[in-house]
Amino acid sequence: EPEVTQTPSHQVTQMGQEVILRCVPISNHLYFYWYRQILGQKVEFLVSFYNNEISEKSEIFDDQFSVERPDGSNFTLKIRSTKLEDSAMYFCASSKDRTSEAPLHFGNGTRLTVT
Amino acid sequence: RKEVEQDPGPFNVPEGATVAFNCTYSNSASQSFFWYRQDCRKEPKLLMSVYSSGNEDGRFTAQLNRASQYISLLIRDSKLSDSATYLCVVNIRYTGNQFYFGTGTSLTVIP
Repeated sequence: EPEVTQTPSHQVTQMGQEVILRCVPISNHLYFYWYRQILGQKVEFLVSFYNNEISEKSEIFDDQFSVERPDGSNFTLKIRSTKLEDSAMYFCASSKDRTSEAPLHFGNGTRLTVT
Repeated sequence: RKEVEQDPGPFNVPEGATVAFNCTYSNSASQSFFWYRQDCRKEPKLLMSVYSSGNEDGRFTAQLNRASQYISLLIRDSKLSDSATYLCVVNIRYTGNQFYFGTGTSLTVIP
């Protein structure tokens, strides 16, 4: 069964550094998402992406964050200058289309630790 | 007001017990509904979609009440392996394709 893949599985970075989290959504999916989950807390929406542009973003997704789909397969999340509070699990997800039978499929996540 | 609300629990039940989780949603434009399961430090995984007529998958039964904006998940004959957090997810597609998550309900099945 096709799956969403994310790399790296764990990223450690120093405060103020830039990080890029990478995702390969399922190939025939049209909608892409980034979520984050701070340890012990709920899953929080960051951004959704469709037709090569951001379709919606949350208050968390400020100017420090950006997303890109540089080619036909990768979907990346960049954090320009990381803060301690950016430490979390970051999940990429994709959805096939807008039908009722199109749930979200999640990748395994990238655990980001900012020191 | 939160889009999706769940009782966070925790629910601690003995093996073999029946347990039910409830979820309410605020937006009447919500169109699709799902239950996801999340194990500690893992990604959410789709457990089942929730259909208007209710649906069953083995020991799991999901119900939807659109009038009351309420979704439920019933687990019968609980197994130790059912211990996880169960997330209620609501999908709205009138503009874009957005998914709203509840905070999750924690279940521990005790031997």
